[in-house]
Amino acid sequence: GIQVEQSPPDLILQEGANSTLRCNFSDSVNNLQWFHQNPWGQLINLFYIPSGTKQNGRLSATTVATERYSLLYISSSQTTDSGVYFCAWGETSGSRLTFGEGTQLTVNP
Amino acid sequence: DSGVTQTPKHLITATGQRVTLRCSPRSGDLSVYWYQQSLDQGLQFLIQYYNGEERAKGNILERFSAQQFPDLHSELNLSSLELGDSALYFCASSARDRNTEAFFGQGTRLTVV
Repeated sequence: GIQVEQSPPDLILQEGANSTLRCNFSDSVNNLQWFHQNPWGQLINLFYIPSGTKQNGRLSATTVATERYSLLYISSSQTTDSGVYFCAWGETSGSRLTFGEGTQLTVNP
Repeated sequence: DSGVTQTPKHLITATGQRVTLRCSPRSGDLSVYWYQQSLDQGLQFLIQYYNGEERAKGNILERFSAQQFPDLHSELNLSSLELGDSALYFCASSARDRNTEAFFGQGTRLTVV
């Protein structure tokens, strides 16, 4: 089956630092989403990005479908950015999502 | 707020019992998905309904069942509960049945004691 691998598994930053999270997937992509799970467990949509680049404030994402990876950039990190970041791959024939293991981000003041 | 509403937020029940989790999708969305998040299995797809019909099935146990009603809300029924069923259960919805962004509810945290 599809493999979705995220790196790094854990990341600790000081407030104000930048970071790049990576998501590799083993099959061609039709649907790629990034989520932030906050400490209360909520899954918050960050990007729907099957290809190309998008930006939203301090966050941006790029998916290179031909090379089967996606990157999430966080700039000028804040303590509220802490939590787990998931990428999720969507199959061509439907919409079920396969999630990676996540990157646990901790931003210290 | 994603627009997807799940109730209840928390549920504590005993082994062997049956519970029902409820989900109201975003206005206009026809697809509803159920996912389970546990410590050992991560986030796993359980089942998808589209406009009232089952569309896809994932790693859903036979003790679990779901349905989508004519008003498009969905219920996930969990029966003969075991300790290992303790998890965060998410409902998500999307406009179409494929190639479309999914939005997640706040989840129902189920604890089986």
